[in-house]
Amino acid sequence: EPEVTQTPSHQVTQMGQEVILRCVPISNHLYFYWYRQILGQKVEFLVSFYNNEISEKSEIFDDQFSVERPDGSNFTLKIRSTKLEDSAMYFCASSVGQGNAGNTIYFGEGSWLTVV
Amino acid sequence: SQQGEEDPQALSIQEGENATMNCSYKTSINNLQWYRQNSGRGLVHLILIRSNEREKHSGRLRVTLDTSKKSSSLLITASRAADTASYFCAQGAQKLVFGQGTRLTINP
Repeated sequence: EPEVTQTPSHQVTQMGQEVILRCVPISNHLYFYWYRQILGQKVEFLVSFYNNEISEKSEIFDDQFSVERPDGSNFTLKIRSTKLEDSAMYFCASSVGQGNAGNTIYFGEGSWLTVV
Repeated sequence: SQQGEEDPQALSIQEGENATMNCSYKTSINNLQWYRQNSGRGLVHLILIRSNEREKHSGRLRVTLDTSKKSSSLLITASRAADTASYFCAQGAQKLVFGQGTRLTINP
């Protein structure tokens, strides 16, 4: 079964460093997302991406964050200058169409980011 | 906010028993999705139920939806140790809103 793949599975970085988390969405999907889950807390929406542009973003997704689809397969999340509070599991997800149209949103296994 | 909340927060049962988890939400929905998360792992999609559906089955899973009460339930029948995980309902279009989830523990 096709799946969303994410790399790295775990990354430790120093505060202030830039981090890029990578994702390969399911191949025929058109909508891409990033979510995060701080340890012990709820899964939170960060951003959605469609037709090569951000379609929706949360208040968490500030100027420190950016997303890019550099080629036909990868979808990346960049954090420019990491803070301690950015430590979380980051999930990439994708769907064929929008969730409210009855399209399942599939998630990857996540990338653990630890900022020290 | 469309935020859903699962109930109970934690559930511990014996292997072989049925487990029922509930989800309530606040606004009208087009569909609702249930996910499972093993500790420290990704979110695995279980079932999507549309607003015009009342019940949906997938193997040992049964999801019901009552739009008049803005609630949904997930039933796992004949539970197994491998069902130990957190279970979440989520609703929304591009922005899925998750609750805290139900932590289910199946005791052998």
